[in-house]
Amino acid sequence: DAKTTQPPSMDCAEGRAANLPCNHSTISGNEYVYWYRQIHSQGPQYIIHGLKNNETNEMASLIITEDRKSSTLILPHATLRDTAVYYCIGHPPSTSGTYKYIFGTGTRLKVLA
Amino acid sequence: NAGVTQTPKFRILKIGQSMTLQCTQDMNHNYMYWYRQDPGMGLKLIYYSVGAGITDKGEVPNGYNVSRSTTEDFPLRLELAAPSQTSVYFCASRPTGREKLFFGSGTQLSVL
Repeated sequence: DAKTTQPPSMDCAEGRAANLPCNHSTISGNEYVYWYRQIHSQGPQYIIHGLKNNETNEMASLIITEDRKSSTLILPHATLRDTAVYYCIGHPPSTSGTYKYIFGTGTRLKVLA
Repeated sequence: NAGVTQTPKFRILKIGQSMTLQCTQDMNHNYMYWYRQDPGMGLKLIYYSVGAGITDKGEVPNGYNVSRSTTEDFPLRLELAAPSQTSVYFCASRPTGREKLFFGSGTQLSVL
């Protein structure tokens, strides 16, 4: 599984865009980049994922660099409810025969009023 | 669908006691996972299963056992509870052909 590196913590003003970086320089060519978040002590929730192209959904945008060594999760208008720990993870494709999904320590995002 | 359901939500054990953490999912997912999360830390994989009757070790399997007799259930067994096993335990599942994990709400376990 690809090892990812994220800053341990970040602050963001409410209403501003939150840009959360992730370094995944050892990711293999067929591994997806997945983002989850964990609010307080709840179970992690899926946010978004991508392989090569940038992705957007109702929650966030994901920008993956062309060399796939890093990515940025963008919460366009952060609210207080976005305060959470955000995990960036490399997921091997479901057809790869690799089943271990390993999490790192994530980024603790605090949205400030 | 209820999704992934974990019971109990909270439990206090004495050192040396045993217990089983229950996890069940109603989405017919083949793949199931157990993670633990120590205070202020990330998630560590304990065990996982790729289908009924098939399980394998994760990053931190010592002190735990699992079984998978049905697609729906993936219980985690602690035989001799130790203070180091104080943690929040999360169960997750994912469907065949997809990578996205679905998590339960967790079991908070304290061993005193």
